[in-house]
Amino acid sequence: GENVEQHPSTLSVQEGDSAVIKCTYSDSASNYFPWYKQELGKGPQLIIDIRSNVGEKKDQRIAVTLNKTAKHFSLHITETQPEDSAVYFCAASMTTNAGKSTFGDGTTLTVKP
Amino acid sequence: DTEVTQTPKHLVMGMTNKKSLKCEQHMGHRAMYWYKQKAKKPPELMFVYSYEKLSINESVPSRFSPECPNSSLLNLHLHALQPEDSALYLCASSHAGGEETQYFGPGTRLLVL
Repeated sequence: GENVEQHPSTLSVQEGDSAVIKCTYSDSASNYFPWYKQELGKGPQLIIDIRSNVGEKKDQRIAVTLNKTAKHFSLHITETQPEDSAVYFCAASMTTNAGKSTFGDGTTLTVKP
Repeated sequence: DTEVTQTPKHLVMGMTNKKSLKCEQHMGHRAMYWYKQKAKKPPELMFVYSYEKLSINESVPSRFSPECPNSSLLNLHLHALQPEDSALYLCASSHAGGEETQYFGPGTRLLVL
């Protein structure tokens, strides 16, 4: 089955700096890659996603890049703010495996004011 | 309305109790999911319902019994749980399985004594 590795497990940055979280996946058939942000006491919330026919996607301070050849994708957050502090999960899924997303182990991001 | 609601928010139960978790969405989604999440871990898929039919059961013990009464509601019936079943139980929904975005509820935090 699919295996997703996520690095780093913890990341601490100064407010205003950029943060980068990287994930690799094993199954080349995976074609949908969402990123979730989970704040304390809440469920995961989608912040950005990318499909396999796209190499990069940006939404204000957040961007995701996908390298299908290398089977890795990354989350980039620019101009970080204290409210960006949370646990971030990447995931991978495929259309033929209905509903079954494989999650990375998560990255705890701390943004210091 | 992009909200998935879950009740109760917290639940404490003994090992001989029977309780139910409820999940509701009004986004017209036809796929609904139950996940279990332990502290500092990613969500683990338990069940997937697609068009009100159980399509995925990730070898979950029979003390967890899912039910999908209609396209908006998802229940998880609990009976004879063990202390190790204590966790955050998350419900999610999506338009269809595979590469569709999953929307998560806030979860029910369950403690089994």
